[in-house]
Amino acid sequence: AQSVTQLGSHVSVSEGALVLLRCNYSSSVPPYLFWYVQYPNQGLQLLLKYTSAATLVKGINGFEAEFKKSETSFHLTKPSAHMSDAAEYFCAVRGLSNDYKLSFGAGTTVTVRA
Amino acid sequence: GAGVSQSPRYKVAKRGQDVALRCDPISGHVSLFWYQQALGQGPEFLTYFQNEAQLDKSGLPSDRFFAERPEGSVSTLKIQRTQQEDSAVYLCASSPRQGWGTDTQYFGPGTRLTVL
Repeated sequence: AQSVTQLGSHVSVSEGALVLLRCNYSSSVPPYLFWYVQYPNQGLQLLLKYTSAATLVKGINGFEAEFKKSETSFHLTKPSAHMSDAAEYFCAVRGLSNDYKLSFGAGTTVTVRA
Repeated sequence: GAGVSQSPRYKVAKRGQDVALRCDPISGHVSLFWYQQALGQGPEFLTYFQNEAQLDKSGLPSDRFFAERPEGSVSTLKIQRTQQEDSAVYLCASSPRQGWGTDTQYFGPGTRLTVL
């Protein structure tokens, strides 16, 4: 079964600083990978997804993620944090073929210091 | 356009009560999913519909959980004889097609269920 591990349950950054959220997947075959953001009392919103078209994926709100097969990683970054980036972020994986289930990591909560 | 909507947003139930949670997917979406999100954790898959057919219910925790989508649009997740361990946020998601490959799942805001 596919799974992902998010390193760090909480990340605190200063406004304007780099945001780096780590995600590693377990699969012998590169799967489909997703990053979702969840604001308080809201549902999950897709930030970006890796579908094998390009290893560097650009998403919404200035986020991007790089797929590295050799490291089985799909880390999420944003060069300059905004206060509005405070939220919980989930990495998710889905296998190839006709796999429809998303398997989520435990999430990383981001706080942004003024 | 309208996204996925869920109702109620919050539900408090006494242990032993039955509850029904509703999901209105994006119009025309073929696939519908239910996930359970416990406090401090990522969502976990419960069940999957393609149109009105429930193709996978392997994630339902017990036979107290039942889901339906009779006309291939609105879905209801029913929990009978609720227990405290059922307290969680229940998320509904829909996809335009079969839900695999590059298909994106669009999530609703969730229903927060608290069982006292």
